[in-house]
Amino acid sequence: QQQVKQSPQSLIVQKGGIPIINCAYENTAFDYFPWYQQFPGKGPALLIAIRPDVSEKKEGRFTISFNKSAKQFSLHIMDSQPGDSATYFCAALSGNTPLVFGKGTRLSVIA
Amino acid sequence: DSGVTQTPKHLITATGQRVTLRCSPRSGDLSVYWYQQSLDQGLQFLIQYYNGEERAKGNILERFSAQQFPDLHSELNLSSLELGDSALYFCASSFENYGYTFGSGTRLTVV
Repeated sequence: QQQVKQSPQSLIVQKGGIPIINCAYENTAFDYFPWYQQFPGKGPALLIAIRPDVSEKKEGRFTISFNKSAKQFSLHIMDSQPGDSATYFCAALSGNTPLVFGKGTRLSVIA
Repeated sequence: DSGVTQTPKHLITATGQRVTLRCSPRSGDLSVYWYQQSLDQGLQFLIQYYNGEERAKGNILERFSAQQFPDLHSELNLSSLELGDSALYFCASSFENYGYTFGSGTRLTVV
């Protein structure tokens, strides 16, 4: 079964807009929630990650919001640029278990 | 360059054949993970090795096997290939269980 559910599958925003990608999980043992960015022909690259003891983390234009009680977390991209057009994956893991990924969101930022 | 090296980048082979994918982890990383990426299934975890030993197993078919050698490089062997095995295969490495670094992948096409 899908341990991390991601939505939407695809997203189109205007340059300068704030795309939001959402993920939900069931396993309360998860203790690390990263987001990966993947460009065509490349491997996923770690963008930003959060632990469940904080509700928000910002790195540059990227922000993760985390809601532990709802078992949901989301990625916000401020002032989005065409160069942000990529596929974004949320993921989760606990202890020594490997990363499990959402199915990905294809983001297109149009000028 | 992420520091994780995967070869070959592309592979085209016929059904029923066997192929070997190779991964060299980032210097200092002890864990190697293999993932399969297809259009409809996202990134699926196959198997993890830690310092030469199998650590975790995911949705890996019996026709697939892997190993990690004393120099920590890893090989993923795919045999009796079927059309449905066509996918991107990614290797990732990590020192601890957090902060995976992915290679650029091997695109396998089975014809």
